[in-house]
Amino acid sequence: EDQVTQSPEALRLQEGESSSLNCSYTVSGLRGLFWYRQDPGKGPEFLFTLYSAGEEKEKERLKATLTKKESFLHITAPKPEDSATYLCAVRGGNTGKLIFGQGTTLQVKP
Amino acid sequence: NAGVTQTPKFQVLKTGQSMTLQCAQDMNHNSMYWYRQDPGMGLRLIYYSASEGTTDKGEVPNGYNVSRLNKREFSLRLESAAPSQTSVYFCASSSGTTTGELFFGEGSRLTVL
Repeated sequence: EDQVTQSPEALRLQEGESSSLNCSYTVSGLRGLFWYRQDPGKGPEFLFTLYSAGEEKEKERLKATLTKKESFLHITAPKPEDSATYLCAVRGGNTGKLIFGQGTTLQVKP
Repeated sequence: NAGVTQTPKFQVLKTGQSMTLQCAQDMNHNSMYWYRQDPGMGLRLIYYSASEGTTDKGEVPNGYNVSRLNKREFSLRLESAAPSQTSVYFCASSSGTTTGELFFGEGSRLTVL
């Protein structure tokens, strides 16, 4: 069964304190791993797509990386406006369905 | 840029009442989806429509029906609401079902008493 597990559930950082969020997955025939950002009271907003181990994508202070078992979302020198819930999702080859993790809620304090 | 528009944003129902959530997208996308989001459960797919004229069950379809009215619109109906259907509902669209780049609406918060 395809599964996605995100850790930690919640993360508090001081402004400028870099860290990483983890997304571990079990899927047959990965067809893509996707990161989303969700602000309170809003719908998720797409950030990145990763397809193969070793691939990296960057956007401002965020960098997503992928291995055969997990993905990391690295946040460099975060700012308060980076506070949000970050969701990871995978699409497996067998079912083709998109499976979402439960998310990591990031709070960045000034 | 409207993107994906959902109505209503908030709704309170009594057990047994019915209602329809409306969704429209203006991006000429082929595929549309209905998800529910509950604390600790993540986003779960209720129904989806790969293309105009088709609908399929997702992970949690029981108690719901959908209609793909045309390419732009995809509605979700609760025929007899139950407290277990209290949730935040999101409509999303994408160019196709093989992409993971979905565009979400802002959500509809439903409470069933």
